[in-house]
Amino acid sequence: AQSVAQPEDQVNVAEGNPLTVKCTYSVSGNPYLFWYVQYPNRGLQFLLKYITGDNLVKGSYGFEAEFNKSQTSFHLKKPSALVSDSALYFCAVRDTYGGSQGNLIFGKGTKLSVKP
Amino acid sequence: ETGVTQSPTHLIKTRGQQVTLRCSSQSGHNTVSWYQQALGQGPQFIFQYYREEENGRGNFPPRFSGLQFPNYSSELNVNALELDDSALYLCASSPRTSGSSGTDTQYFGPGTRLTVL
Repeated sequence: AQSVAQPEDQVNVAEGNPLTVKCTYSVSGNPYLFWYVQYPNRGLQFLLKYITGDNLVKGSYGFEAEFNKSQTSFHLKKPSALVSDSALYFCAVRDTYGGSQGNLIFGKGTKLSVKP
Repeated sequence: ETGVTQSPTHLIKTRGQQVTLRCSSQSGHNTVSWYQQALGQGPQFIFQYYREEENGRGNFPPRFSGLQFPNYSSELNVNALELDDSALYLCASSPRTSGSSGTDTQYFGPGTRLTVL
């Protein structure tokens, strides 16, 4: 079955420190991978995506993600965290199977908390 | 450029009732997808509309139905509401081309919070 796993329910980081939010995936065929962020009582905002090419993808607000095919991972990173980065982060993979083909399969989300 | 908008923001219904949620897609986007996000969970795909026809469906019963209009806006209808239908309903639009490879980014609206009592 195609799926996305975010192994950490919560990540705590001090402001100014680097952050990593982990994501692993399982999908048939080429993986198309996405990261979204959700602030309280808001919809999802697109951060970045990997389709093909360079394994390091740069996105909005200084975020980047590294695609690792051998480890089936797509971890989100930022060199220096801000308090305003505190939010819920979702990893998603494009479904490649069946009636929902082409749409997104989301992980359960990781809550990022950045302390001053 | 106007983003994805949804209405209403919040809605309270009782079990057994019917509800209609509305979505206006981002300018230039012809495809709309609907997702259900239960509390503490990631969004789950309900269905997608392209060229006014359902173009893919997730694991949701037939009482979840939808429409897409010529201006690409969309409605989600849920009949015979159940308590478990309480969730945030998200609409996403994307600029799908006829030869879509599934690489298009989906842009989400702010959602409609549905509470079923």
